[in-house]
This record gives sequence, C-alpha cells and structure tokens, in this order.
Amino acid sequence: QVQLQESGPGLVKPSQTLSLTCTVSGDSITFGSYYWSWLRQPAGKAMEWIGHIYSGGSTSFNPSLGSRVTISRDTSQNHFSLKLTSVTAADTAVYFCARVFGAVTYRLDVWGRGTLVTVSS
Amino acid sequence: DIQMTQSPSSLSASIGDRVTITCRASKNIRTFLNWYQQRPGTAPKPLIHSASNLQSGVPSRFSGGGSGTDFTLTISSLQPEDFATYFCQQSFSSPYSFGQGTKVEIK
Repeated sequence: QVQLQESGPGLVKPSQTLSLTCTVSGDSITFGSYYWSWLRQPAGKAMEWIGHIYSGGSTSFNPSLGSRVTISRDTSQNHFSLKLTSVTAADTAVYFCARVFGAVTYRLDVWGRGTLVTVSS
Repeated sequence: DIQMTQSPSSLSASIGDRVTITCRASKNIRTFLNWYQQRPGTAPKPLIHSASNLQSGVPSRFSGGGSGTDFTLTISSLQPEDFATYFCQQSFSSPYSFGQGTKVEIK
C-alpha cells in the first residue's frame, strides 16, 4: 500500500523559504512512469497545482509561482521536497503531496493528508 | 490557463437522495476531467477519472458524465459516508486546475 506523508515547519516568516518533504512508502519514486507532485489549498479556496518531479527526474512547475519553486528528490531516502522562496501571507495554505498516475489522464491517485503552513511574523 | 467552476458550492441532502454536482471548464477539455472526494483531515480520494471512469474500489453509486466543457458527478443514493467535499480537476493541459469544491452536508 502506497503512502505519502508531508513534513516540515508549520510556521514560516514572510520573505523566508518554505521547505517541505514528502516521504513515500510502498513505492519507489524512481520506478515506473509516475509523477510526484505538490499541491496546496488556501483556506476556502480551490486546490492549486504547484508542480511535479517525474520518476526520471525532470520537473515541471505552475508558471503562476514563477521562479520561486524548486522540487527536488533524495532517492536514497525515497522522498521528494518542495522549496518556495520569498513567501508572503498569500502562501499560507494546506500543502499536499500526491502521486500522479498517467501523463495523459494526470490523475492524482494517492495523496498525503496535507500539512498546514502559515506564513506570519 | 483553464478555469474550472463548480456548482453549487454547497448543498444539503438526506440519506438516500440523488445528488448531482456540476463542473464547467473555461475551454473544451474533451474528457480530461477527474473527480475527488475530500473529508476533513484526511487525504483526498480519487473517485472518477477521464470524466466517467470509476476508480477501482469506488462504489457504483458514484458516476460521472460529460465532455467538452460541462461535466457532472452524480451520487445515486447518498450514504452517510458520502458527506464530504467533492472537487473536479482538469488534466487537459498544464497548469492542471481544480474546481473550488462542493460541500455535501446532511439536511
């Protein structure tokens, strides 16, 4: 059974960098044709796709976040990470990691439970 | 970017009711539309992919339809465990976008 678990600080100061890790169990992030993605959901708003890292290592990001986003991975730990720089209050949200099945259908078939990140001084 | 609009934003229904939720895309996305269920504090659960294909293990009371710009998620007979928030997601093109969600509450 594949499981994903987000971890990282729940409070980040404005202008600093938000860093989260998604630890995967039950599957290898380098195996198969999966994408490993990050999403977020501000309170009362729609889910927003942040980006993903492919099992082969390539990445893709939402242009709305510009150059602030980095997604990387540690294959020895079987986890992937999100870094979002220069955060503001608008980046306050529940952050989710998820596995994506299918480049065409892009269905998020396994999700983490999410972690709340608040940007505040 | 493709905008996804769901309606209603919330609804109240009783056990056994038939419930339909609508999702509209701002451009033609053919059948590249997925549906998810989200209960508070738990991971979102995939329900339907490619507009009408039931995810493995999802009860048959859930069904999806539509193509182009207009899509529906129907629960044929609402059960207690179905009270949750439902949201759609287009997979036609990046950046992949989501509806704002429909909260199904107990009447």
